[in-house]
Amino acid sequence: NAGVTQTPKFRILKIGQSMTLQCTQDMNHNYMYWYRQDPGMGLKLIYYSVGAGITDKGEVPNGYNVSRSTTEDFPLRLELAAPSQTSVYFCASRPAGRQETQYFGPGTRLLVL
Amino acid sequence: AQSVSQHNHHVILSEAASLELGCNYSYGGTVNLFWYVQYPGQHLQLLLKYFSGDPLVKGIKGFEAEFIKSKFSFNLRKPSVQWSDTAEYFCALTSSSGGYNKLIFGAGTRLAVHP
Repeated sequence: NAGVTQTPKFRILKIGQSMTLQCTQDMNHNYMYWYRQDPGMGLKLIYYSVGAGITDKGEVPNGYNVSRSTTEDFPLRLELAAPSQTSVYFCASRPAGRQETQYFGPGTRLLVL
Repeated sequence: AQSVSQHNHHVILSEAASLELGCNYSYGGTVNLFWYVQYPGQHLQLLLKYFSGDPLVKGIKGFEAEFIKSKFSFNLRKPSVQWSDTAEYFCALTSSSGGYNKLIFGAGTRLAVHP
């Protein structure tokens, strides 16, 4: 299993541009998550999904959109990039069940100038 | 709302020193507790977890943590650190109010171990 994969690894965007961060998992996990990590702030949940076709907002959803058309993929969309979205973005997945843990991808480093 | 506090933002130790990183949480109901580690340039990896039962849990690489319910704490310990333990450490929880779906993270503790 490749686990959780993310592309791209690094991207520079200009203010107002849009892009999609890709996340794929091959573990057949129901739950998938997007986090952003800012220095000294820990990880904040942006959006999550409990299964194909079902998504919900986390702590910091503004400026982002997600979709979950398949079990494997959970892309994160930035429509109008802003400098405040400069961050490292992590995708994670986990199986259903209370005592399951999340598995994280390698991250995407995004710089908005 | 639930929250996780990590008191030490930066810790510097010499090799072979003992380590204890503090973690406190605020939530009155049932929680699952986790410690994740992020080595430089890498993604988060699970160190250990507590769901129920024995409050002293052992994880990978010689780490352990103790859940003290009365203190709402889940401190991470290691008797003797190595240079390779240099990393950022995150305490996190899931709770019954969130259906155990969502991880709430602390701000992290950056550990530097000098040879």
